[in-house]
Amino acid sequence: QQKVQQSPESLSVPEGGMASLNCTSSDRNFQYFWWYRQHSGEGPKALMSIFSDGDKKEGRFTAHLNKASLHVSLHIRDSQPSDSALYFCAARNTGYQNFYFGKGTSLTVIP
Amino acid sequence: ETAVFQTPNYHVTQVGNEVSFNCKQTLGHDTMYWYKQDSKKLLKIMFSYNNKQLIVNETVPRRFSPQSSDKAHLNLRIKSVEPEDSAVYLCASSSRTGQDTQYFGPGTRLLVL
Repeated sequence: QQKVQQSPESLSVPEGGMASLNCTSSDRNFQYFWWYRQHSGEGPKALMSIFSDGDKKEGRFTAHLNKASLHVSLHIRDSQPSDSALYFCAARNTGYQNFYFGKGTSLTVIP
Repeated sequence: ETAVFQTPNYHVTQVGNEVSFNCKQTLGHDTMYWYKQDSKKLLKIMFSYNNKQLIVNETVPRRFSPQSSDKAHLNLRIKSVEPEDSAVYLCASSSRTGQDTQYFGPGTRLLVL
């Protein structure tokens, strides 16, 4: 069973629009969450980490974590074509062996 | 800027051969990882390793083994490759003392014929 579920599987937004990505964990022991972005032909690159309930904003990116519902989201405002990529949610608890990535959301920003 | 280096970029081999992939990080991190990314882009951790402990994902076949000469290097050896080993292998590193954000290399794409 996938411990980290992401939705939607794919998403298209117009340039300048808002993209919203969702991630839900099935393991209540997960305490730490990340969003990674992977462009084609490259390795994933960390966008943001979020460890506490609430919002965390970095530039055009805002992450929101609700530990009670095990839900984390990523919102990208003013989306740019360069934001087109595969976005992964990752989560872990205190042990490195319990580090999991979701299946990813493919974002396409249409010029 | 790249701080996790992987070689080769791409490797084609025959079933049953042995292959070895190299990874080096210049971030001064204590922990390194190997991931497998399949054709559906699913990421699965294979190993995590620091100078004290190797943690192996129990689902990894025994023909896979990590090899480390120092904390900046973690290579991956595959004995007797199988067709299902065709994938992109990603190396990553993180600091155990700070945030556990992982920094990934560009990957090595393996094709087993």
